[in-house]
Amino acid sequence: KAGVTQTPRYLIKTRGQQVTLSCSPISGHRSVSWYQQTPGQGLQFLFEYFSETQRNKGNFPGRFSGRQFSNSRSEMNVSTLELGDSALYLCASSLDGHSNQPQHFGDGTRLSIL
Amino acid sequence: DAKTTQPPSMDCAEGRAANLPCNHSTISGNEYVYWYRQIHSQGPQYIIHGLKNNETNEMASLIITEDRKSSTLILPHATLRDTAVYYCIVSGSNYKLTFGKGTLLTVNP
Repeated sequence: KAGVTQTPRYLIKTRGQQVTLSCSPISGHRSVSWYQQTPGQGLQFLFEYFSETQRNKGNFPGRFSGRQFSNSRSEMNVSTLELGDSALYLCASSLDGHSNQPQHFGDGTRLSIL
Repeated sequence: DAKTTQPPSMDCAEGRAANLPCNHSTISGNEYVYWYRQIHSQGPQYIIHGLKNNETNEMASLIITEDRKSSTLILPHATLRDTAVYYCIVSGSNYKLTFGKGTLLTVNP
C-alpha cells in the first residue's frame, strides 16, 4: 500500500511570493492534516480536513490556508511568503481523524525562503 | 490534549532493549497514548498506540501504568537504525497531534 505522498520534496521561493504544496493520502484515508516543523518551534499543527471540510485549525496567520478535494487529496497554500516560513511542511493522513486512528506522515516538503 | 514529559536524551547499546519513559499525568479517560519517531529529514513514523491495555506490534511494546499517568515504549532489540527522536503524544478528540520535544535515542555499537 502506497504511503502518503507529498510534492514537491524541495522548493525555493523568495519573500512575497506564494506557494502551493500537495499531499496525496493513503488510499482509503479521508482525513488529512498539515504540520509545520522548524528548529525553533518544533512540529506544529496547521489544520485538518475531512470530507473537504476544515475541522480544526492551529494558531497560524491567515496567509496559511488549505483545501481538500473530493478524492481526499489536499493542498496547502502560503501567500506573501516571509523568511520565517522556511520549514519542513508535513502532511499526515488517517482513516477518519479520530483519536483511535493513527496518523501516517509523508516525508514532507522542505520550503526555503530567500 | 494532555501534556507529556520525556527525557531529552537517552543512550542504548545495540542489541539491548531500549526503554523510553513518558509521563502524562493529566491524561483523561478518552485520550490515547501514541508513540512516533523521526529520523533526520524524514516525516514522523507511527510506532504504536494504546488506551489502557499494554500493546505490542512488530516494532515495539507499549506499557501503560494502571493509573494511565505514565507509559514506557520498549524496543526489544535496538539497532543502529533505531537512532531517532521519539515522541510520546496524548491524543484527544480534536483531530490533531501535539508534539513536544521528544527523546533523542542514540543506539551505540
